[in-house]
Amino acid sequence: DSGVTQTPKHLITATGQRVTLRCSPRSGDLSVYWYQQSLDQGLQFLIQYYNGEERAKGNILERFSAQQFPDLHSELNLSSLELGDSALYFCASSVYGAVRGEQFFGPGTRLTVL
Amino acid sequence: AQSVTQLGSHVSVSEGALVLLRCNYSSSVPPYLFWYVQYPNQGLQLLLKYTSAATLVKGINGFEAEFKKSETSFHLTKPSAHMSDAAEYFCAVLTSGSRLTFGEGTQLTVNP
Repeated sequence: DSGVTQTPKHLITATGQRVTLRCSPRSGDLSVYWYQQSLDQGLQFLIQYYNGEERAKGNILERFSAQQFPDLHSELNLSSLELGDSALYFCASSVYGAVRGEQFFGPGTRLTVL
Repeated sequence: AQSVTQLGSHVSVSEGALVLLRCNYSSSVPPYLFWYVQYPNQGLQLLLKYTSAATLVKGINGFEAEFKKSETSFHLTKPSAHMSDAAEYFCAVLTSGSRLTFGEGTQLTVNP
């Protein structure tokens, strides 16, 4: 158990819909990262937040957005869903600046778009 | 841009045999390198990391990796495979800021 929690575990929805994925980082971690794992794209970095502020953006679509709240949990919002958005979405957290780069991953949310 | 390449998307070994999973990196600066393992239907777990302190890095579950600058490699090894090692293994490099860039992954099968 990494200490990072993600809900829901599974999500099945239809094209065109909007969903929200939630992540709670490890206690004390200020940085949250979102990654997408799909068969065709592999594991890709989407976005990073540090203490409520966006820090880095990767291959995140404009239809996707994220935020980190004052209690440090984060949400990834996916809208106008397409079949190709079906993937495993991971959240990771780290203590920014300490043991640099060591990220702890949650169990993931498996999104299926029908 | 920093990247990693994993050679071999599938590796199959017998129980008790040596495990060797290959990873080569591309980086213009000293890299921070990682190996993660993903068991079926689970998240990624850190096996070990290289942060320039020592070239031979020991990780969990008997795995180790050696950083070789001359070969731009960071291969993962384990002397004796167990059935429980069957999983997917990802090599990763820390890139701009603190994001991880992952390789394509290597699926390890351990045969009895």
